[in-house]
Amino acid sequence: NAGVTQTPKFRVLKTGQSMTLLCAQDMNHEYMYWYRQDPGMGLRLIHYSVGEGTTAKGEVPDGYNVSRLKKQNFLLGLESAAPSQTSVYFCATETGGYGYTFGSGTRLTVV
Amino acid sequence: GENVEQHPSTLSVQEGDSAVIKCTYSDSASNYFPWYKQELGKGPQLIIDIRSNVGEKKDQRIAVTLNKTAKHFSLHITETQPEDSAVYFCAGINSGGGADGLTFGKGTHLIIQP
Repeated sequence: NAGVTQTPKFRVLKTGQSMTLLCAQDMNHEYMYWYRQDPGMGLRLIHYSVGEGTTAKGEVPDGYNVSRLKKQNFLLGLESAAPSQTSVYFCATETGGYGYTFGSGTRLTVV
Repeated sequence: GENVEQHPSTLSVQEGDSAVIKCTYSDSASNYFPWYKQELGKGPQLIIDIRSNVGEKKDQRIAVTLNKTAKHFSLHITETQPEDSAVYFCAGINSGGGADGLTFGKGTHLIIQP
């Protein structure tokens, strides 16, 4: 039982490149979230999903796209990376009663 | 949506002393207030939460208090130990309920001095 697994753990991109971050969960949870964490800013919600085939915008969605084709996977895409997207990205699932289980994060640097 | 303010941003206490972190929230309809602990290089982990129908909840050395009238809640850690050193986040539910995600405070870096 791995819980929430994020891949990759680290990545360096050049400005304008694209990439996809994968979040996989083995707990059969309906709700999944993508957050970004920046120094002094806490965790900010990018996009979320309340079930397979659904997605919705969070607080800071610009520059990102998401897909939830399978219940266990939630993908976060950057179509054209910018230095402002340098951050640590966390995926989370809602465990029932509003509690979250977080992945270990993806550290992304855009140069 | 919900707005959560957290203070202080850094807190240094002597090992064995108590630590208190405070948060305020804006949405009077909010009914769930969790606290997360994040150790270096890891994702946040839920350590305790409280719902609006109670004023205090304890779990060993950790307690959370809620004042709905003043719209603030606090994390109390007693008999602090070196392993308590971490960043702590409070959060509140966004207006759409639990499905719409949590809004987090900006975090408190707790340092336990030996």
